[in-house]
Amino acid sequence: AQTVTQSQPEMSVQEAETVTLSCTYDTSENNYYLFWYKQPPSRQMILVIRQEAYKQQNATENRFSVNFQKAAKSFSLKISDSQLGDTAMYFCAFMSQGGSEKLVFGKGTKLTVNP
Amino acid sequence: DAMVIQNPRYQVTQFGKPVTLSCSQTLNHNVMYWYQQKSSQAPKLLFHYYDKDFNNEADTPDNFQSRRPNTSFCFLDIRSPGLGDAAMYLCATSSLRPGTILPYEQYFGPGTRLTVT
Repeated sequence: AQTVTQSQPEMSVQEAETVTLSCTYDTSENNYYLFWYKQPPSRQMILVIRQEAYKQQNATENRFSVNFQKAAKSFSLKISDSQLGDTAMYFCAFMSQGGSEKLVFGKGTKLTVNP
Repeated sequence: DAMVIQNPRYQVTQFGKPVTLSCSQTLNHNVMYWYQQKSSQAPKLLFHYYDKDFNNEADTPDNFQSRRPNTSFCFLDIRSPGLGDAAMYLCATSSLRPGTILPYEQYFGPGTRLTVT
């Protein structure tokens, strides 16, 4: 079974600075997908960024980018120019290729952006 | 706007009293999921529907059941809630078609926070 580990339960960053959230995973599969989801306080979870394992190029979405290291099974999220609205729980998630799109989540990292 | 709606947002029930949580979607997605999320923990998948096909997770207690009468609606029934069932329950949807290469993202509802007294 796949597992996802987020080793940082909580992090904080000053507004406008850069922060990196860590995620490692364990799988024997070669093809899969990785995601970062954001869950703001009392609001619904939304997708931040996704990465296909067969792509070597790291995904980017505006201020959000990932560092995907397939051999090391590492998938970190970098948030540049942090904004107050980035304050949220961030979940790293794994999905096998094919099947029914079942997500396996890490335990999450609580990020606080300070003014 | 197309969205995933969960009602109610907050539900209080008594120990052992059956309760139903509802989820509706206007996205016309064929897959619907129910997750349980306890405080400071990751969402845990309970079950999902792929169209009308029900898929139960192996460790989901028998106390939890689900119904999907049509594409738009899905219900979570807790037959005899215990104190340990107090949690946030998240509904999510996604679109999965045969031959799809890339997974479509899961769209989450705002959740229903269940309190058991």
